[in-house]
Amino acid sequence: QVQLQQLGPGLVVKPSETLSLTCTVSGGSISGYYWSWIRQPAGKGLEWIGRIYVSETGNLDPSLTNYAPSLRSRVTLSVDMSKNQFSLRLDSVNAADSAVYFCAREQQRRLTPYYFDNWGQGTQLTVSS
Amino acid sequence: DIQMTQSPSSLSASVGDRVTITCRASQSISNYLNWYQQKSGTAPKLLIFAASSLHSGVPSRFSGRGSGTDFTLTISSLQPEDFATYYCQQSYINPRTFGHGTKVEIK
Repeated sequence: QVQLQQLGPGLVVKPSETLSLTCTVSGGSISGYYWSWIRQPAGKGLEWIGRIYVSETGNLDPSLTNYAPSLRSRVTLSVDMSKNQFSLRLDSVNAADSAVYFCAREQQRRLTPYYFDNWGQGTQLTVSS
Repeated sequence: DIQMTQSPSSLSASVGDRVTITCRASQSISNYLNWYQQKSGTAPKLLIFAASSLHSGVPSRFSGRGSGTDFTLTISSLQPEDFATYYCQQSYINPRTFGHGTKVEIK
């Protein structure tokens, strides 16, 4: 059973600083899937941040890394194959970035549409000076 | 971006009730529509994928229908553990987008 683990329940980052989050994949391989980040401001809905694909052979194809247009200029996704981890970097954070950040696996089965079937437990980000 | 509009935004229902939630996409998305359940303070859980396919382990009282722009999630007989917020999500194109959620409350 694949599990996604996010370290720590909460994080405080000052305005204009950089957020770095990591998600560790256990119980399965990081290869052959899309790995996504999704956030949820308090009391609000879910916002997709972006996704990164790791091929079956463990390769990264930049053309298969996708970002939400509203965040593209500030977001970088990366993967550490040796640790079975993927990461989110968000530059120049501001108050509007305060939210719970979830990591998730996106997959498809037998060419069905993609869906998020595994989620991390979430990390609360507070942007405050 | 494809806008996903859910209705109602909230509803009150009793245990045993049949509940239907609607999701409309701003353009046709074929059957690229998923439904999630989220309880307070926890991550969303996948219920239905590809508009009508029940995810493994999800009770059969949950069902999904629709294609194109109009979709529904139905709970045939509401159980106490079903009181939660439900989200639809399209995976037709990037960026992935979610509906604003439907909160199902106890009447």
